[in-house]
Amino acid sequence: DIQMTQSPSTLSASVGDRVTITCRASQSISSWLAWYQQKPGKAPKLLIDKASSLENGVPSRFSGSGSGTEFTLTISSLQPDDFATYYCQQYNSYFSFGQGTKVEIK
Amino acid sequence: QVQLQESGPGLVKPSETLSLSCTVSGGSIRSYYWSWIRQPPGKGLEWIGYINYSGSTNYNPSLKSRVTISVDTSKTHFSLKLSSVTAADTAVYYCARGPGYYDSSGYYYVRGFDIWGQGTMVTVSS
Repeated sequence: DIQMTQSPSTLSASVGDRVTITCRASQSISSWLAWYQQKPGKAPKLLIDKASSLENGVPSRFSGSGSGTEFTLTISSLQPDDFATYYCQQYNSYFSFGQGTKVEIK
Repeated sequence: QVQLQESGPGLVKPSETLSLSCTVSGGSIRSYYWSWIRQPPGKGLEWIGYINYSGSTNYNPSLKSRVTISVDTSKTHFSLKLSSVTAADTAVYYCARGPGYYDSSGYYYVRGFDIWGQGTMVTVSS
């Protein structure tokens, strides 16, 4: 099975900061990767599909890149609504998620 | 717009079967795949399995021996059964749309899970 590893596990940042989260797959998954945002007590929300395709309605400050085994989610200018936990998920072979990255207020 | 709503018991005894249902409103089950995903308290997400309109299923190999996902004949909801539960099955259970859909030509497009229910907490305890 494919293991997904995110780094860092926790990230402290301020409003306006540029934030980057990394996700690594244990084997190549091409571009079959999604990113989700989850707030406490809520269901995850799909932000990015196929590594870099922004979902309708998601602010353009979110972007995704990468292919193969290494991927990044970037928030260009962190906003108060962005403090949450972010998960990557591969769908190349079955479906598995990273352990999550919590973005907290510095 | 399409909305999903999970329902079922919030407490299940060890060794018994967990049963949940997901009602799809605002759209059709047809053409899409539908999944169950769970999240133990304070932990990450685990895909359980999916079903499509015609009833074709695929399960997480780690849970396959205990999982059954079905879709009802009226095609308005799909269900999860997880047998022989233990405390390790305590989690918030989500139903979600995905991982993909068929277009009008019958071509399948795989993608992430794009619509989720609000989740339902299931505790396994005697």
